[in-house]
Amino acid sequence: SQKIEQNSEALNIQEGKTATLTCNYTNYSPAYLQWYRQDPGRGPVFLLLIRENEKEKRKERLKVTFDTTLKQSLFHITASQPADSATYLCALPKAAGNKLTFGGGTRVLVKP
Amino acid sequence: DAGVIQSPRHEVTEMGQEVTLRCKPISGHDYLFWYRQTMMRGLELLIYFNNNVPIDDSGMPEDRFSAKMPNASFSTLKIQPSEPRDSAVYFCASRSSGFTDTQYFGPGTRLTVL
Repeated sequence: SQKIEQNSEALNIQEGKTATLTCNYTNYSPAYLQWYRQDPGRGPVFLLLIRENEKEKRKERLKVTFDTTLKQSLFHITASQPADSATYLCALPKAAGNKLTFGGGTRVLVKP
Repeated sequence: DAGVIQSPRHEVTEMGQEVTLRCKPISGHDYLFWYRQTMMRGLELLIYFNNNVPIDDSGMPEDRFSAKMPNASFSTLKIQPSEPRDSAVYFCASRSSGFTDTQYFGPGTRLTVL
């Protein structure tokens, strides 16, 4: 069955450093992968989408890579700020239909 | 645009009671999704609609759960009777047709069943 794994351990990082999060998947051949941000008490918010034929995508201080051979996506927050503290979830489309499957998320805490 | 609207934001009820959660999707979006989020199981899809028609309800845990979408601007998720294990945050999300499946989530309803 399709499975998505994100590091469930919180990532504590110093302000200004780069945070790197991992999303691994199995039994998938997704056409794209998405990353969402979720703050406490709120719904997930879409951040970035990367397609299978793209190696890297950037948006401001965010960078996502997608390695379909390794079945892995890396999510980088450069020059991290305390405001980046949140949980980040990756999501992939189901093989059929219009559904997304979400990973369990990784919580990031940026300390000043 | 006000985004996806959900009500109530918090609901506390006793076991056995009926619970109704409400959702207003973003205008023009033709897909609507209901999710449940818990610490143990993460974010799980319960059911989704396309043009007000239920397409896939395979994630609905039991017959105690039901969802309706009487029109393009309103959907309900009902639990009858509720049980303590139904305690979770329930999210509604919507999106428009297209390739990318980018979904827009509401603020969620935190349900506590005592």
